[in-house]
Amino acid sequence: EAGVAQSPRYKIIEKRQSVAFWCNPISGHATLYWYQQILGQGPKLLIQFQNNGVVDDSQLPKDRFSAERLKGVDSTLKIQPAKLEDSAVYLCASSLGRRINTEAFFGQGTRLTVV
Amino acid sequence: DQQVKQNSPSLSVQEGRISILNCDYTNSMFDYFLWYKKYPAEGPTFLISISSIKDKNEDGRFTVFLNKSAKHLSLHIVPSQPGDSAVYFCAASALGDDKIIFGKGTRLHILP
Repeated sequence: EAGVAQSPRYKIIEKRQSVAFWCNPISGHATLYWYQQILGQGPKLLIQFQNNGVVDDSQLPKDRFSAERLKGVDSTLKIQPAKLEDSAVYLCASSLGRRINTEAFFGQGTRLTVV
Repeated sequence: DQQVKQNSPSLSVQEGRISILNCDYTNSMFDYFLWYKKYPAEGPTFLISISSIKDKNEDGRFTVFLNKSAKHLSLHIVPSQPGDSAVYFCAASALGDDKIIFGKGTRLHILP
C-alpha cells in the first residue's frame, strides 16, 4: 500500500514570498491533516479535512495560510506571504476518519526555510 | 494551553534495559491515545495505541499503560535496542473528533 506522498521535500524562500506544498493521502482515507512542526516542538494541527470539507482550521493563520482539498483527495497548503517564523516542517497525514478511533499515517514532510 | 504534555525532553537508557516514556493529558474527553516514533528527516510513524476502555496494550517489545484517573499514560520498551533511538510523541484524540493532538516529544537515546 502506498503511503502519504508529499512534495517538495525541501524549500528555501525569502520572506514575503509565497510557497505551496502538495499532499496525496493514502487511497480511501477520508480525513486529511496538515501539521506544522517547529524545531523542538511537537506537530501542531493547522487544518483538518473530512473528504473535501474543512472540519477544523482554528489554528490556521488565515491571513497568510490557505489550504484546499479538491475532490476529497489531494490537498495543497499555501503560505502567502511567508514570514521567518514559518520556518518549520510541514507534515501531511491521513486516516480512515469516519469518527472511529484510528491512527493517522504521515508523509515525510516538507522542510521550509524562510530567509 | 497544552492538552498533551511530555515533560521529559530527553531520556538515556542502556541497551537491553527498559525505557519508560511518560505522558500526561488534561482533556478528559480524550479517549484514544497513540504513540508515534520519529527519526530525523522522516515523518512520524505510528507505534502503538490504546483505547480508554483498556488500561494496557502490548505489541512485542512495546507496552502502553493508561491510568485514566491520573490522566497519565506511559510507553514501556523492553528490551531497548539501538534502533529505538528516536523522538517519541504521545498523542490523543476524542471519539467522534478525529483530531489528533500531539505532545512536544521525548528524545530517547539508547546507549551501547
